[in-house]
Amino acid sequence: EPEVTQTPSHQVTQMGQEVILRCVPISNHLYFYWYRQILGQKVEFLVSFYNNEISEKSEIFDDQFSVERPDGSNFTLKIRSTKLEDSAMYFCASGKGTPLHFGNGTRLTVT
Amino acid sequence: QKEVEQDPGPLSVPEGAIVSLNCTYSNSAFQYFMWYRQYSRKGPELLMYTYSSGNKEDGRFTAQVDKSSKYISLFIRDSQPSDSATYLCAMSATAAGNKLTFGGGTRVLVKP
Repeated sequence: EPEVTQTPSHQVTQMGQEVILRCVPISNHLYFYWYRQILGQKVEFLVSFYNNEISEKSEIFDDQFSVERPDGSNFTLKIRSTKLEDSAMYFCASGKGTPLHFGNGTRLTVT
Repeated sequence: QKEVEQDPGPLSVPEGAIVSLNCTYSNSAFQYFMWYRQYSRKGPELLMYTYSSGNKEDGRFTAQVDKSSKYISLFIRDSQPSDSATYLCAMSATAAGNKLTFGGGTRVLVKP
């Protein structure tokens, strides 16, 4: 069964550094998302992407965040200058609409 | 009032028992309802997907939606230790590209 894959599974970075989280969505899906889950908290929506542009973003998704679909298969989330509070699990998801299928996440640790 | 509320548990049941989970929500625009299972440090895995009110059954899982009460349920029959996980409800207002709003999850422990 096709699945959403995410790399790396764990990323440790220093505060102020840039990180890029990578995702390969399911191939025939049209909608792509990033969510995050801070330890012990809810899964929170960050951004949705459709037709090569952002369709919706949350208040969390400020100017330090950006998304790209550089080559028609990969989908990336860039955090320009990481903060301690960016430490979380970041999940990529894709779908033809609803429901969404999630990857296993990248655990980002900012020190 | 939180948009989606879910009892965090833990809910502990003996193997073979029925697990009953539920969520309440406040946004009447929600029409699409999902249940996900999440193992520790893994991504949410889709279990059930329903539209509007009614029941849906898939193997040991039954999902119920009561839009008039803004209440959804998931039942797991003949529970197994491998069902021990956190169960997340999620919902959206539209079918195409709308973000999901999640509950906080209920942790379930099935004891052998």
